[in-house]
Amino acid sequence: SQTIHQWPATLVQPVGSPLSLECTVEGTSNPNLYWYRQAAGRGLQLLFYSVGIGQISSEVPQNLSASRPQDRQFILSSKKLLLSDSGFYLCAWKSYGRSTFGSGTRLTVV
Amino acid sequence: KNEVEQSPQNLTAQEGEFITINCSYSVGISALHWLQQHPGGGIVSLFMLSSGKKKHGRLIATINIQEKHSSLHITASHPRDSAVYICAVSGAGSYQLTFGKGTKLSVIP
Repeated sequence: SQTIHQWPATLVQPVGSPLSLECTVEGTSNPNLYWYRQAAGRGLQLLFYSVGIGQISSEVPQNLSASRPQDRQFILSSKKLLLSDSGFYLCAWKSYGRSTFGSGTRLTVV
Repeated sequence: KNEVEQSPQNLTAQEGEFITINCSYSVGISALHWLQQHPGGGIVSLFMLSSGKKKHGRLIATINIQEKHSSLHITASHPRDSAVYICAVSGAGSYQLTFGKGTKLSVIP
């Protein structure tokens, strides 16, 4: 079966600290992978997507970066978090027209 | 770019009521998703549909491709149904999903 693992579920980080959120998928190969963010009171917005290893496209310029070191691994990072980075982060993948979603990470920057 | 509108934004219902949440989109799609986001933030995928109707327990999702509209129905609502329900669409040949802003449902005992 096709599954997606995203962790942690919640995270509280101080301003200026680094961030690393990881997402891994199982049951598929060469999926398109996505990172979305939901700021308070807003809908989910696409941050990054990847169509293959090492291939990252950014939709919204910001304080975050993404990497895809392996086919089924997608990482969202920041060197120094800002208060405005607080929100809900969702990993998803799409393969053969089907999309699967991670359970999300709620990040609070304090 | 697809525009996804959900209505209502907020919905309060008494336990046992029949609930309908609507989703409209502007451009033809290959699939539509209904997601459930609980207060802790976790996302659960409820349905993915490209035509017709799907049912799972007390939840029913319908889509009308010609009218570019989908509805999520909850029969015999229960307080544990309280959550944010999000509609997302995937365009034909598109690499991304477009999400609605969500409908916050509160079911009161």
